[in-house]
Amino acid sequence: ILNVEQSPQSLHVQEGDSTNFTCSFPSSNFYALHWYRWETAKSPEALFVMTLNGDEKKKGRISATLNTKEGYSYLYIKGSQPEDSATYLCAFSGAGSYQLTFGKGTKLSVIP
Amino acid sequence: NAGVMQNPRHLVRRRGQEARLRCSPMKGHSHVYWYRQLPEEGLKFMVYLQKENIIDESGMPKERFSAEFPKEGPSILRIQQVVRGDSAAYFCASSVLQGMGQSNEKLFFGSGTQLSVL
Repeated sequence: ILNVEQSPQSLHVQEGDSTNFTCSFPSSNFYALHWYRWETAKSPEALFVMTLNGDEKKKGRISATLNTKEGYSYLYIKGSQPEDSATYLCAFSGAGSYQLTFGKGTKLSVIP
Repeated sequence: NAGVMQNPRHLVRRRGQEARLRCSPMKGHSHVYWYRQLPEEGLKFMVYLQKENIIDESGMPKERFSAEFPKEGPSILRIQQVVRGDSAAYFCASSVLQGMGQSNEKLFFGSGTQLSVL
């Protein structure tokens, strides 16, 4: 059974603070690591798909890094805004597999 | 370009009834995935389908659950003789290319169907 762990489970930050959270995943048979943003009452929306060790991706104030050798990825949000409030999911894709294995997510609340 | 459409949004069934959940993928997408989220759990893979083919159903319970993606029309997830433990949010996603361990394609998700079994 694949284990994808995300920490912390939830996080409250003040508007303007920068924050980061972690996704850990199996380091063997790795193919890709996905990050999704899931706002309440909406559908999960893809942020990044990363495949290479050392990969760094950026989208506006959000960025992510990937370490496949040790099996972790960090998601960073610079200068958090209330509209960043959402649950952030990471998902592991193994080589040759058709499925994503999701973590339980980190729920971010940005306080104005 | 309409996103992934799921209906109904909410479905209430009594124990023993059948539940049918529908999913229309994004235009141009021929790969459909169903995921389930039980209370306090993450999204769990159920089944991956292409048009008229089930490719991977390793996440699907062996009994009472079935899925199809016909040549014409939406993908259907069917749960027969529902039990209380089937209460969950069921999400459909689609992609352009086959995934996931063969491409770095991202998934496009629908808004889900919340199934409640009384």
